[in-house]
Amino acid sequence: DVKVTQSSRYLVKRTGEKVFLECVQDMDHENMFWYRQDPGLGLRLIYFSYDVKMKEKGDIPEGYSVSREKKERFSLILESASTNQTSMYLCASSPFSRNTEAFFGQGTRLTVV
Amino acid sequence: AQSVTQLGSHVSVSEGALVLLRCNYSSSVPPYLFWYVQYPNQGLQLLLKYTSAATLVKGINGFEAEFKKSETSFHLTKPSAHMSDAAEYFCAVSLNDYKLSFGAGTTVTVRA
Repeated sequence: DVKVTQSSRYLVKRTGEKVFLECVQDMDHENMFWYRQDPGLGLRLIYFSYDVKMKEKGDIPEGYSVSREKKERFSLILESASTNQTSMYLCASSPFSRNTEAFFGQGTRLTVV
Repeated sequence: AQSVTQLGSHVSVSEGALVLLRCNYSSSVPPYLFWYVQYPNQGLQLLLKYTSAATLVKGINGFEAEFKKSETSFHLTKPSAHMSDAAEYFCAVSLNDYKLSFGAGTTVTVRA
């Protein structure tokens, strides 16, 4: 069975902390994604990676960075967490194929206080 | 640029009634289209996808969607709602860059 695993379901962090969200996929997919989900806004793409060490900015990259040192792992980094980054974060992966769907993790609900 | 518009942020239906969720996209090239479902505190699960084969696509749990190029639409339907269909539904479009662009989502509630 296809699996995308996010390291935490719930996180509470303080303003100014450096936060790492980890995502691992076991499907040997080339593409990996980080989305942010907020009520009424749907899912917005933060960053996208199509290969190891390769990354592209999505629609809302400000305040975030990413790391992909191994094919199966894609990390989202909040350099200095702020309260407006309180949200649900979803990781996804997909093969390098135009007509194939993305597979999602369970999500990490991050609260910054 | 690509975009997806879902009409109606909330839909309420009676159990056994038709479910209709609307999705329109804007694209200058033929798109690939997807519907996903999200149950509370879960990730997204694929319901169905359109990839330029048949325009009427059948998915899981009795859902289907029809691609209409002339209307740039990909509406999702289910003939008879079940209580377990209560969830949030997202339409998404993918162009040649492999990234998915999502609509704002439609929350479905099912009345007994």
